[in-house]
Amino acid sequence: AQTVTQSQPEMSVQEAETVTLSCTYDTSESDYYLFWYKQPPSRQMILVIRQEAYKQQNATENRFSVNFQKAAKSFSLKISDSQLGDAAMYFCAYKGNNAGGTSYGKLTFGQGTILTVHP
Amino acid sequence: EAQVTQNPRYLITVTGKKLTVTCSQNMNHEYMSWYRQDPGLGLRQIYYSMNVEVTDKGDVPEGYKVSRKEKRNFPLILESPSPNQTSLYFCASRPKLRGLTNEKLFFGSGTQLSVL
Repeated sequence: AQTVTQSQPEMSVQEAETVTLSCTYDTSESDYYLFWYKQPPSRQMILVIRQEAYKQQNATENRFSVNFQKAAKSFSLKISDSQLGDAAMYFCAYKGNNAGGTSYGKLTFGQGTILTVHP
Repeated sequence: EAQVTQNPRYLITVTGKKLTVTCSQNMNHEYMSWYRQDPGLGLRQIYYSMNVEVTDKGDVPEGYKVSRKEKRNFPLILESPSPNQTSLYFCASRPKLRGLTNEKLFFGSGTQLSVL
């Protein structure tokens, strides 16, 4: 079974600084997707960024970027120029892409990291 | 507006009293699923459905039932709720089409359930 581990229950950053959230995963599948979701106090789940395992290039979305290390099974999220609105719980998630595979269609989430942004 | 609608947003009930949490999506998505969120455990899948009349267990299905009689609706049923089912529940949907641009789960706004 696939597992996703976020080893940092809480992180903090000063406004305008950069912070990196860690995520590691375990899988025997070769084709999969990785995601970072943001959950602000409103409880809404917001997709921040997604990466396809076959793509070597790290995904970026404005101030958000990932460092995808496939061999190490690591998928960290970097937030640059942190803003007060970035304060939230962040979840790393994995989804297999092999039709008929045990994880196809299912998103497996990590435990979450609470990010605090200090003004 | 494309959305997944869950109701109710908050629910307090007592042990053993059957309840249903409704979920409806207006995007004609084939795939729907239910997750529960607990502190320190992240979100865990309860049940999912790949299409009408096709449902399957996720990681934590015990104590839950689902049905998918129509494409847009995917209710979660707790026949005899227990305190360990106190949790935050999310319904989600996505299209069947593959490819990175379709790999996005649309989440409902969540249902906070307390079982006393």
